[in-house]
Amino acid sequence: QVQLVQSGAEVRKPGASVKVSCKASGYTFSAYYMHWVRQAPGQGLEWMGWIDPNSGGTDYAQKFQGRVTMTRDTSISTAYMELSRLRSDDTAVYFCAKSYSSTSFDYWGQGTLVTVSS
Amino acid sequence: QSALTQPPSASGSPGQSVTISCTGTSSDVGAYNYVSWYRRHPGKAPKLMIYEVNKRPSGVPDRFSGSKSGNTASLTVSGLQAEDEADYYCSSYAGSNNWVFGGGTKLTVL
Repeated sequence: QVQLVQSGAEVRKPGASVKVSCKASGYTFSAYYMHWVRQAPGQGLEWMGWIDPNSGGTDYAQKFQGRVTMTRDTSISTAYMELSRLRSDDTAVYFCAKSYSSTSFDYWGQGTLVTVSS
Repeated sequence: QSALTQPPSASGSPGQSVTISCTGTSSDVGAYNYVSWYRRHPGKAPKLMIYEVNKRPSGVPDRFSGSKSGNTASLTVSGLQAEDEADYYCSSYAGSNNWVFGGGTKLTVL
């Protein structure tokens, strides 16, 4: 069965960076884009961008351009999302989500809480 | 892109139907038939309920249906059950390889 297992909670100070991992299993990792979505406390879901595990190609939401980097390691079926120059309003649960039919997201990781606090 | 607009809350009694709206623009919801809906129980990962406006993934009961008119998409949950109490989010493709989500609707089963 398809599973996306994310790394554990992180605490960072403002200005630091964080890297979240998402290990996929149960399907061909390189065949489906992986998206990253976050949810700040009391807020809705926010799309951050995607990575094509096959080519390594990426596209990021304009809001995160210059601060986010999505990478992958196909040898271990793992996608990564690194967010730099963290601010307090980056405190959120970050999800990876597998692309479905190129139009939606059918499997999601369990979420990784990133807390940015001085 | 701005977030899609959803009502903050909706409610219904067991067995009743409830409809949740999702309003976007002519650049996202109105432009593409790529609206999807997700259910999220507290502390859990979102679950895909509807994709491409009105298609149900395998395993999603036919009590869930979707539609779209112009810039507004809708999710209807029929025969409400206690397990349907959750937060629901819409999403739409917004062009240029970008996606946008709604702010979420808390569905309460009375």
